[in-house]
Amino acid sequence: DSGVTQTPKHLITATGQRVTLRCSPRSGDLSVYWYQQSLDQGLQFLIQYYNGEERAKGNILERFSAQQFPDLHSELNLSSLELGDSALYFCASSVRQAGELFFGEGSRLTVL
Amino acid sequence: EDQVTQSPEALRLQEGESSSLNCSYTVSGLRGLFWYRQDPGKGPEFLFTLYSAGEEKEKERLKATLTKKESFLHITAPKPEDSATYLCAVQAADSNYQLIWGAGTKLIIKP
Repeated sequence: DSGVTQTPKHLITATGQRVTLRCSPRSGDLSVYWYQQSLDQGLQFLIQYYNGEERAKGNILERFSAQQFPDLHSELNLSSLELGDSALYFCASSVRQAGELFFGEGSRLTVL
Repeated sequence: EDQVTQSPEALRLQEGESSSLNCSYTVSGLRGLFWYRQDPGKGPEFLFTLYSAGEEKEKERLKATLTKKESFLHITAPKPEDSATYLCAVQAADSNYQLIWGAGTKLIIKP
C-alpha cells in the first residue's frame, strides 16, 4: 500500500460526458502528479501541483483540468469525453519535488 | 533534447536465469535516476534512486547500477513473481524537477 488513495477505481461513461477523479496523497506529501496510461502505452505526464499551486504541465488536453485543495487532495476533471480518453489515470505524490513518486492504484476510465 | 531509452522492450527468462535491463539517458545534467516496477493494471512502485556514476543499490534479487550514460537493473536468479514491467525515469537538472520516463521493459519469468 503506497498510501495514495484514488477514487473511483473504475468508471464507465459515455462520450461527451464529464467525470471527476479524486486523489488523496500520502500523509505529509505536498506534491501531487497526474499521469495517463493508455493500453500498453507508457506513462504520460499530465500535470503537477505543489502545496496547492500548479507547478508543471505536461501533455494535458484543454478539456482536462485539475486542482489541489488546501487539505492537499487533488481532483482531475475530464470533460467532453472522447473514446480515446479511455485509459488508466494515476495520481502520485512525493515529498516536495523529489523523483521518488508514490503512485495510487489508478482510476480506470472507459468511455463508450 | 533530454531522452530516456530502455532496452530490450521485452525479455523472457527461465526461472533462475540472471540477466540485465538497460536504461540509457541523454540529459544536460543528471539530478537523479529512478527505477520503478509496474504490475499489470497497477500503479508503478518505486524501487531505487541513483544520483551519481558508480553508485549501486540492491534490494533482494535486484541491483541497480549507474554510469554517466546508462543504468542497469541486474536481476539475479529471478522468480516468476519478478515478472513485471520495469520503468526507468530521469530527473534532469534543467527539467523543473519533472521526470522523463522510459517506455519500460516487460520482464517475463517462466517457471
